[in-house]
Amino acid sequence: EIVMTQSPATLSVSPGERATLSCRASQSVSSNLAWYQQKPGQAPRLLIYGASTRATGIPARFSGSGSGTEFTLTISSLQSEDFAVYYCQQYNNWPITFGQGTRLEIK
Amino acid sequence: QVQLQESGPGLVKPSETLSLTCTVSGGSISSYYWSWIRQPPGKGLEWIGYIYYSGSTNYNPSLKSRVTISVDTSKNQFSLKLSSVTAADTAVYYCARGTVVVPAALDVWGKGTTVTVSS
Repeated sequence: EIVMTQSPATLSVSPGERATLSCRASQSVSSNLAWYQQKPGQAPRLLIYGASTRATGIPARFSGSGSGTEFTLTISSLQSEDFAVYYCQQYNNWPITFGQGTRLEIK
Repeated sequence: QVQLQESGPGLVKPSETLSLTCTVSGGSISSYYWSWIRQPPGKGLEWIGYIYYSGSTNYNPSLKSRVTISVDTSKNQFSLKLSSVTAADTAVYYCARGTVVVPAALDVWGKGTTVTVSS
């Protein structure tokens, strides 16, 4: 099973600033990686798939990069609604696995 | 737009079978992959398995011996059965749809249903 490790566990950033979230895979997942946002009491929301393709309706301030084992989600200018937990997910190998999440909080 | 709704008992006794149904509205269940994911309280996400509308399935090996996912296209529903449950199966259970391009990228989710395993 591929283990996905996200860092940091918690990230404190001020509104308007840039946030950079990292995800590392225990072995190569090529570009078969997605990012999700989850707010309290809600289901996850797909942000990015294919490591860098934004899902339908996702604002351009969200961008993904990386391949192989190292991936990054960047939020260019944080809005109040962006403070949430973010998960990466690999779908290169079965079983599909998620990272443990990064909590993005207001500084 | 497509909406998903999970339904089923919120409380299941240990050793019994958890049964949930996901109803798809606003669109057809055909031509998509449909998944079940769960999230224990305060923890991360775990993929349980998926089913294609034609009936082919794939299950997480950690749960494979206890999981069955089925589909009823006539009712636009798919279902999850998890047998021999323990307290470790207590979680919010989500159903979700995979995108056409990447079936494992889940673009539509139900709101989730909380299942507690307790006597």
